[in-house]
Amino acid sequence: NAGVTQTPKFRVLKTGQSMTLLCAQDMNHEYMYWYRQDPGMGLRLIHYSVGEGTTAKGEVPDGYNVSRLKKQNFLLGLESAAPSQTSVYFCASSYVRLNTEAFFGQGTRLTVV
Amino acid sequence: AQTVTQSQPEMSVQEAETVTLSCTYDTSESNYYLFWYKQPPSRQMILVIRQEAYKQQNATENRFSVNFQKAAKSFSLKISDSQLGDTAMYFCAFRGPGGSNYKLTFGKGTLLTVNP
Repeated sequence: NAGVTQTPKFRVLKTGQSMTLLCAQDMNHEYMYWYRQDPGMGLRLIHYSVGEGTTAKGEVPDGYNVSRLKKQNFLLGLESAAPSQTSVYFCASSYVRLNTEAFFGQGTRLTVV
Repeated sequence: AQTVTQSQPEMSVQEAETVTLSCTYDTSESNYYLFWYKQPPSRQMILVIRQEAYKQQNATENRFSVNFQKAAKSFSLKISDSQLGDTAMYFCAFRGPGGSNYKLTFGKGTLLTVNP
């Protein structure tokens, strides 16, 4: 029973490098989200998707891109990493129904040096 | 846009005692859901409890209960008989109806420490 799986769990990047974080869910959820968690800031929404082939900007989208080519996968890309993108990144997914909670992956700790 | 405010960055409680974490929110919607999530040191996000705005009865899950005051837009979490395993960051979250409002909006969190 995998739920939401994020890869990788840890990563160190040099400024200017690019990378892609992968999120996969096996619950047939329509909605998927990428959040970043920083001390004292809670979880802030980067981008989200309401279905395959659709994406939308969240609260802090600058410097990130996303794609959802398959319903079960949601990719987060950093084209040119900056130290300000050092954070813990969480992927989550949920059903459309309002009363359903979001299920979270285990997080990815990214450090940009 | 909805906002969620948790005014207590940190709290501590003695084991077996009761503690209440505060959360307020701002919305113009009439129907929505509120959630409390727990994040222990393992970093995993765990749902603690949920409340539907149309239900007047406060939700309860074992030692966890909420005090939902819709008019005041307040949603506090009460933890009874606190246990060492309750030590965690607690996040209040809001989910509204329709389109982009389906996303979860989180507060900044309250770090709860249960002392032996």
